[in-house]
Amino acid sequence: DIQMTQSPSSLSASVGDRVTITCRATQSISSYLNWYQREPGKAPKLLIYAASSLQGGVPSRFSGSGSGTDFTLTISSLQPEDFATYYCQQSYSTPYTFGQGTRLEIK
Amino acid sequence: EVQLLESGGDLAQPGGSLRLSCAASGFTFSSYAMSWVRLAPGKGLEWVSAISGSGSSTNYADSVKGRFTIFRDKSKNTLYLQMNSLRAEDTAVYYCAKDWSSGYGGTLDYWGQGTLVTVSS
Repeated sequence: DIQMTQSPSSLSASVGDRVTITCRATQSISSYLNWYQREPGKAPKLLIYAASSLQGGVPSRFSGSGSGTDFTLTISSLQPEDFATYYCQQSYSTPYTFGQGTRLEIK
Repeated sequence: EVQLLESGGDLAQPGGSLRLSCAASGFTFSSYAMSWVRLAPGKGLEWVSAISGSGSSTNYADSVKGRFTIFRDKSKNTLYLQMNSLRAEDTAVYYCAKDWSSGYGGTLDYWGQGTLVTVSS
């Protein structure tokens, strides 16, 4: 199975900050990498698919990059509604493994 | 508007069974693969199982293989997860999610709110 490792596991930041979360796969997954946002009590939401494509309706302050084994999610200017937990997920092969999550908290 | 509504979560005893349902609307159900993903307390998301749009192909995480069965009813636009031989480690919120392709490609573009399964004596 492909293992996904995210860093950091938690992050404190302020509104307006630029934030970057990284995700590493144990083998090359080309660009088969997705990012999801999960807020407590809400349905998880697809933000980025195929490593760098923005899902419809997602604000442009979210961006993704990378290929192969190393990927990043960047939020250019944090907004209050962005404080949530973020997960990367590989869709290269089953089982479709997720990273352990990055909890983004208000500083 | 795509809507996914899970139900069936409950308290179950170890070794017991539960059946989860996910009622889908707002899209052509049989055209898309579907998945179940779970979130255990204090842990991250774990993909559990997927089924193709036609229902002819399924796949499972090793942790549930042989105990859980995913299936779908096109006439009812409903996805199911039959959970047998439940263990304490199956305790989690279970989400159903729509895949963006008919064959399970793994990119999950819509999710339900989840249903809680607790396995305890």
